[in-house]
Amino acid sequence: QQPVQSPQAVILREGEDAVINCSSSKALYSVHWYRQKHGEAPVFLMILLKGGEQKGHDKISASFNEKKQQSSLYLTASQLSYSGTYFCGTEAGANNLFFGTGTRLTVIP
Amino acid sequence: KAGVTQTPRYLIKTRGQQVTLSCSPISGHRSVSWYQQTPGQGLQFLFEYFSETQRNKGNFPGRFSGRQFSNSRSEMNVSTLELGDSALYLCASSFPDLATTNEKLFFGSGTQLSVL
Repeated sequence: QQPVQSPQAVILREGEDAVINCSSSKALYSVHWYRQKHGEAPVFLMILLKGGEQKGHDKISASFNEKKQQSSLYLTASQLSYSGTYFCGTEAGANNLFFGTGTRLTVIP
Repeated sequence: KAGVTQTPRYLIKTRGQQVTLSCSPISGHRSVSWYQQTPGQGLQFLFEYFSETQRNKGNFPGRFSGRQFSNSRSEMNVSTLELGDSALYLCASSFPDLATTNEKLFFGSGTQLSVL
């Protein structure tokens, strides 16, 4: 039930864009995105509840393709503060979240 | 408002021992979930409690157990520790409940368990 994230790691220069993908083998009710900086707790970014929904704040946005059972996180014009490990969490109707293995994002000057 | 508090922050145990970890959720949050985090496996779901009842359980052996008290504080226990249990254990709370998992999770900083 654990979703699959790709890529596992990515290195960007400031100002570059990145896409992180999350796919599940099960039909999804919702998708959560979290970011964890080194040595810190994961922090909530956003929830997508409906197929086709897109959300964003600042320059981080996400989409949810219900039919394809996948979600993508878009980071545009990356900043140093975007560095961290990004996790998607998927909920398939069992009232609990299963998280992917994470994508380590490193932004360099 | 205080965040999710986990104690202790670090713990060193030897194989065969047992350990109890504690989690105090944000005031008013009634759902507490526990996750095991290891470098290769990411966040693995252990179990979730709501109003003192375990509602969901992940795919972990029976050595892993938990409970929730009437004040929503939660504990997890691991008996007969194995080397592979070394990990960061995170708890997360949510409000008002996790009936539809539409509520975001607030994570604690975790307890780093090392089994020697």
